[in-house]
Parts: sequence; C-alpha cells; structure tokens
Amino acid sequence: NAGVMQNPRHLVRRRGQEARLRCSPMKGHSHVYWYRQLPEEGLKFMVYLQKENIIDESGMPKERFSAEFPKEGPSILRIQQVVRGDSAAYFCASSPDVGQAYGYTFGSGTRLTVV
Amino acid sequence: GESVGLHLPTLSVQEGDNSIINCAYSNSASDYFIWYKQESGKGPQFIIDIRSNMDKRQGQRVTVLLNKTVKHLSLQIAATQPGDSAVYFCAENRGDSSYKLIFGSGTRLLVRP
Repeated sequence: NAGVMQNPRHLVRRRGQEARLRCSPMKGHSHVYWYRQLPEEGLKFMVYLQKENIIDESGMPKERFSAEFPKEGPSILRIQQVVRGDSAAYFCASSPDVGQAYGYTFGSGTRLTVV
Repeated sequence: GESVGLHLPTLSVQEGDNSIINCAYSNSASDYFIWYKQESGKGPQFIIDIRSNMDKRQGQRVTVLLNKTVKHLSLQIAATQPGDSAVYFCAENRGDSSYKLIFGSGTRLLVRP
C-alpha cells in the first residue's frame, strides 16, 4: 500500500524557469494539501484541493503559483518564473475524509533549488 | 501573528535517557495538536496526537502532555534511542478550519551514544 508519492525528489531550476511538482495521494484519498518548508522552519500551509476543485488557496502566493488536482492523475503544484526565494521543500499530504487533519499522511517532499 | 512557537533549539541527550521537547501555542481556540518527527530528507511522520479535552495521552515510549491554562504542549520520549534523532515539530489545528495545520519551527533532537 504505497504512501503519498511525490516527484521529483529533487528539482533544480534556473531563475525564470517553471517548476512542476507532482503528488499522487494515497489510494482512496481524495483530499490533497500542499505545504512549503523553508530551511530550519516548520511547514506552512499553501493550498487544499479536492478532485477538480480548489477548496482553500489562502496560503499560496497570488502570483506565479498555481495548483490543480484533475479528475485523473496526480495533483500538480506549478511555479512559474521561479526566483531564488522559491527554493524550499514542498510537501504534499493527503487524507481520506473531508478535510480532517487527523487523517494526514505526508509524502517525502520535493526539494526545489533555484540557481 | 499567531503561531505555534519554537525557534529550532537543539536538545542533546544520552542514549537511554528520557527526552522532553516543549512547545507553546498562542490560539486558545485550537482543539487538536499533533507531534511530528522529521528525519533528514524525509517528510513529517506522525508520532502522537491529542485533543483539547484531554491533558495527557500515551503511546509506545511517547507521551504528550497538554496544559491549556498556559497553552503549552510537551512530548516526552522514554529511553531515547539513536533512531529518535530527528527534528520534532508540534502542530495545532484550529476549529475554524479543520484541515489546516499550523506548525512550529521545530526542535532538533540529538542522541549521544
């Protein structure tokens, strides 16, 4: 029973390029959450999605960042025109029930480095 | 702003000793708390949780204590082992958004052999 799968594990992008981070939730989970972690800090909520719906994107920067969770396939976090400040670890979590924190399972994250 | 407060201190303990990691939270409306363990290069791993109607909960070698009066949370690890070396985060969940976790900045636990 695979856990939350994120890929790639490591991603290097030059300033101005686009970064695409993918997250496949646990089997049977239809709720996906993205968090960002800066070095030596805790995780910060970015966005909560259900299939084909963005429920809460209050933690996501208004520009350059977008997220989707299509009917088929993984959830995608997209960062356009990356800047050095986007360098961080991005974690995805999923849960089986309607937005319940106690059901969270985190993936291993994607470490984005912008050079 | 409101936060769950740790500033990444480091706790160094001898193998076999007990460890206590502390956390302060600021929102008295928070009703659910979780401790996570994060090893280098990995995602947060659930350790133990507690709801605000409890003040103590025990798991295997771990105990979480909640003091709502002073808004304080602690994680106790008994007989600390080298495999316990990691960064530990507390997180709070506020009643108004049941899915969102507010994380502290973590405590690094180092276990000396």
